[in-house]
Amino acid sequence: SQQGEEDPQALSIQEGENATMNCSYKTSINNLQWYRQNSGRGLVHLILIRSNEREKHSGRLRVTLDTSKKSSSLLITASRAADTASYFCATGQTGNTPLVFGKGTRLSVIA
Amino acid sequence: GAVVSQHPSWVICKSGTSVKIECRSLDFQATTMFWYRQFPKQSLMLMATSNEGSKATYEQGVEKDKFLINHASLTLSTLTVTSAHPEDSSFYICSAREGQGLTDTQYFGPGTRLTVL
Repeated sequence: SQQGEEDPQALSIQEGENATMNCSYKTSINNLQWYRQNSGRGLVHLILIRSNEREKHSGRLRVTLDTSKKSSSLLITASRAADTASYFCATGQTGNTPLVFGKGTRLSVIA
Repeated sequence: GAVVSQHPSWVICKSGTSVKIECRSLDFQATTMFWYRQFPKQSLMLMATSNEGSKATYEQGVEKDKFLINHASLTLSTLTVTSAHPEDSSFYICSAREGQGLTDTQYFGPGTRLTVL
């Protein structure tokens, strides 16, 4: 079963603009992670934010987490054509449970 | 970081044949591995959880007799798609968690694209 719902499902922006993707989930979590996937390729881990954290940065990426609303956002600043990919949030719980993925957002950055 | 490999990276087979996909943790021991399936333009769906030395736990709707999982060692899990049919064509991704599952990091393999003719 899927835990998260990303929004929007698809996003098209111009190079240099910021891209914001949102993720909502249903159950309590230990952490939330964001992944990128280029078409037909494997997953690339972007960032992990723990349930006791509210915001995290990594380069041009900024992730927020609101556990009261069970939601997270991924902001990519100054987007580049190479950022074109699908982005998935995945929630992790404690113990030996697997990550559960959201449906993903397909981002297209137009040069 | 830890590396997970998959072999083969792609495979084409005839309907009715069986295909084995290997998932290896290259520089760490993985007591638990997970198998996901991804259809085009969709998300990853968990198929099963594979624990070393014990039977796999399958998600609802996944046929255990069709998708045979073996986790014989701490660095290798295999997924065998038996009597494959065109609807089994998909991208199969494994992941491995180091240790006893207390770490937050789940490392993913590069995926195997299966096409059944």
